[in-house]
Amino acid sequence: GENVEQHPSTLSVQEGDSAVIKCTYSDSASNYFPWYKQELGKRPQLIIDIRSNVGEKKDQRIAVTLNKTAKHFSLHITETQPEDSAVYFCAASSNAGNMLTFGGGTRLMVKP
Amino acid sequence: KAGVTQTPRYLIKTRGQQVTLSCSPISGHRSVSWYQQTPGQGLQFLFEYFSETQRNKGNFPGRFSGRQFSNSRSEMNVSTLELGDSALYLCASSRSGAAGNTIYFGEGSWLTVV
Repeated sequence: GENVEQHPSTLSVQEGDSAVIKCTYSDSASNYFPWYKQELGKRPQLIIDIRSNVGEKKDQRIAVTLNKTAKHFSLHITETQPEDSAVYFCAASSNAGNMLTFGGGTRLMVKP
Repeated sequence: KAGVTQTPRYLIKTRGQQVTLSCSPISGHRSVSWYQQTPGQGLQFLFEYFSETQRNKGNFPGRFSGRQFSNSRSEMNVSTLELGDSALYLCASSRSGAAGNTIYFGEGSWLTVV
């Protein structure tokens, strides 16, 4: 089955700096890669996703890149703000259903 | 438009008991999936239902089961509860069964087994 590795597990940045979180996946058939943000005690919320026919997608301060050959994808957050502090999860989906395999999560702390 | 609704939000059960959790997907969504979230194991897929049929199943024991009704609402059941079943159980819905559909999560049901 699919295996998703996520790094780093914790990331601390100064407000205004950029943050990058990286994920690798094992199943070359994976074709959908969402990123979720989860604040303490809250549900995971989709912040951006990318499909395998696209190499990069951007939404304001957030961007995701996908390298299918290397089987890795990354989340980039620019101009970080304290409200970006949360746990971020990457995920991959490779079958005809909606089964997501998640990475282990990255706790991002943005220091004011 | 209402999001994914889960009930109950919090519950405490005793070892050996059973529990049923309920999920109402976003209106118009036909696929419902369930995930278990724990500090040690992270987010793990339990099962997915589409048109009342279980389409995918994660690596969990048979004590974990689920079903989906004709109105797309879903329930999951855990029998003979163990302490290790204490977790946040998340329901997620998406519009159809096609791969790559955006998946939305509910607020979850916090289960504590004592």
